[in-house]
Amino acid sequence: AQKVTQAQTEISVVEKEDVTLDCVYETRDTTYYLFWYKQPPSGELVFLIRRNSFDEQNEISGRYSWNFQKSTSSFNFTITASQVVDSAVYFCALSEERTGRRALTFGSGTRLQVQP
Amino acid sequence: NAGVTQTPKFRILKIGQSMTLQCAQDMNHNYMYWYRQDPGMGLKLIYYSVGAGITDKGEVPNGYNVSRSTTEDFPLRLELAAPSQTSVYFCASSGDRGKETQYFGPGTRLLVL
Repeated sequence: AQKVTQAQTEISVVEKEDVTLDCVYETRDTTYYLFWYKQPPSGELVFLIRRNSFDEQNEISGRYSWNFQKSTSSFNFTITASQVVDSAVYFCALSEERTGRRALTFGSGTRLQVQP
Repeated sequence: NAGVTQTPKFRILKIGQSMTLQCAQDMNHNYMYWYRQDPGMGLKLIYYSVGAGITDKGEVPNGYNVSRSTTEDFPLRLELAAPSQTSVYFCASSGDRGKETQYFGPGTRLLVL
């Protein structure tokens, strides 16, 4: 069965610090997709990134970057120069191709508090 | 495009009451999902559908039912509400192969007392 682990329950940083959110996954599939979603205090889920299992290139989008390493089954998320607006719960999720249903298995989330 | 819409936003139910959570999407997505999010936890899959007329159970289906008569709509039915069903419910949809990203509705907060 697939599983996503976000070991960091809560992280608190001061504005402008860099912060990395860890995500470790387990799957038997060779084809799968990894996601990060942001859940701000307002409660909605905001899609941040999708990465398929064949693409190990790191990605950078503004202050956000993602490091995907199949060798360690990790898909970590770094925010550079954090801002108060980054305060939210961040979820890592996994979707397997094999089952056909493509539902997401979520980690338990990491709450990020950015202090001014 | 409105994306994925859900109604109501918030509801209080008494134990034993029934209700339907509505979900609609206007992106012509075949895949639709219902998840629940308990406090401090990630989301868990209740039911999903791969197209009109086709539904199947997820991890936590007990106490719920779904139907999918059209591509756009995917209502979730609670027949006999129990306190354990107090949660936030999210509906999501995604496109076909190669378009795996799931887009979520704003959620319905349900309190069963």
